Amino acid sequence: QVHLVESGGDVVQPGRSLRLSCAASGFNFSSYGMHWVRQAPGKGLEWVAVIWYDGSKKFYADSVKGRFTISRDNPKNTLYLQMNSLKAEDTAVYYCATTKGSGWFDPWGQGTLVTVSS
Amino acid sequence: DIVMTQSPDSLAVSLGERATISCKSSQSILYSSNNKHYLAWYQQKPGQPPKLLIYWASTRESGVPDRFSGSGSGTDFTLTISSLQAEDVAVYYCQQYYYTPPWTFGQGTKLEIK
Repeated sequence: QVHLVESGGDVVQPGRSLRLSCAASGFNFSSYGMHWVRQAPGKGLEWVAVIWYDGSKKFYADSVKGRFTISRDNPKNTLYLQMNSLKAEDTAVYYCATTKGSGWFDPWGQGTLVTVSS
Repeated sequence: DIVMTQSPDSLAVSLGERATISCKSSQSILYSSNNKHYLAWYQQKPGQPPKLLIYWASTRESGVPDRFSGSGSGTDFTLTISSLQAEDVAVYYCQQYYYTPPWTFGQGTKLEIK
């Protein structure tokens, strides 16, 4: 059974950094691209970043480009999101998800909450 | 970037009645080589992650009740719940995966019981 578990969410001050992790199990993690998608409180879904199965390519939403870095450790079946220069508008639940090459997101993790506030 | 626009933003339907949610893409998301529309639908209940309902615009995910159906073509798509059940109260999102990155979602439609 595919399982994605995010961790690392916290309350941080604007301008500070935070690293999120996503532990994957139940599928061949190293074969698939992985994504981060976020959802601000009471708002809709926003795609954040993707990393290719081998880490060779990475793409970001314009809203986080230059501040966030997606990475992965395939032997550890873990996805990361390094978030720097955090802003209040980065406050959201961050989900990791995979498309398994298909284009649609399935499954999703339960999410981890990041709150950026002074 | 492709913009996905859903309507309405919120919808109240009586139990047992039909619910219809629309999703419009700013460009065609039909890939002519395979004649498939690159559109998915999700259901999100409070405190939960989104759940995949439909992909390729009309293919129901395994385990999804057959009262959920997807249709449409070109730039206009519809999610229909044929007979609303209490457990269908949720926010529904469409998402395109044709022009990526970025993967883009509609703003969501909140479905409630009338």
